Amino acid sequence: SQQGEEDPQALSIQEGENATMNCSYKTSINNLQWYRQNSGRGLVHLILIRSNEREKHSGRLRVTLDTSKKSSSLLITASRAADTASYFCATDGNNQGGKLIFGQGTELSVKP
Amino acid sequence: IAGITQAPTSQILAAGRRMTLRCTQDMRHNAMYWYRQDLGLGLRLIHYSNTAGTTGKGEVPDGYSVSRANTDDFPLTLASAVPSQTSVYFCASSDQVGQPQHFGDGTRLSIL
Repeated sequence: SQQGEEDPQALSIQEGENATMNCSYKTSINNLQWYRQNSGRGLVHLILIRSNEREKHSGRLRVTLDTSKKSSSLLITASRAADTASYFCATDGNNQGGKLIFGQGTELSVKP
Repeated sequence: IAGITQAPTSQILAAGRRMTLRCTQDMRHNAMYWYRQDLGLGLRLIHYSNTAGTTGKGEVPDGYSVSRANTDDFPLTLASAVPSQTSVYFCASSDQVGQPQHFGDGTRLSIL
């Protein structure tokens, strides 16, 4: 079964709005990672947050991690049409031998 | 070459044929991975290699084999293709297990 599950499955917003995507997981983790995938391309790593971190920023991206709720969120502020893509969370679980388990992704559409 | 190179980019194959998907990285990463991506199922790990000379089974290894003779190359072989192996296949690498992964742009494989 999938370790990480994203919510919502699809999100449509206007340019300039903020987009929030959530990820829930089931077991203890070493870290959680977010990736982006443009149509027809491979995944691109965005940000990694360790289990002892609660929040991390990278440009317009803000990631939070709540290990007590086994959940993470990715916030994209001031979205742009170019942010249109699918976003995946992936967990490096304590008992996974370093292998990542990916969620099914959130499909984000940012309309100009 | 920069990053991960996968070949071919797409292929149509008759059921029962043997097929090898190629993957080469130029980042001297220790770990490499093969995933398949199917609509509604996200990315699923097929096989992985933590370091040259070693390989391991992922979530969906049946019908696939891999080898890791050197650091740079990680080919995936379908010994006798079946229609259920129709998918998009992604190769990825990371410096160490559990660390951010770099992805190729995929091979779109259709088995008829």
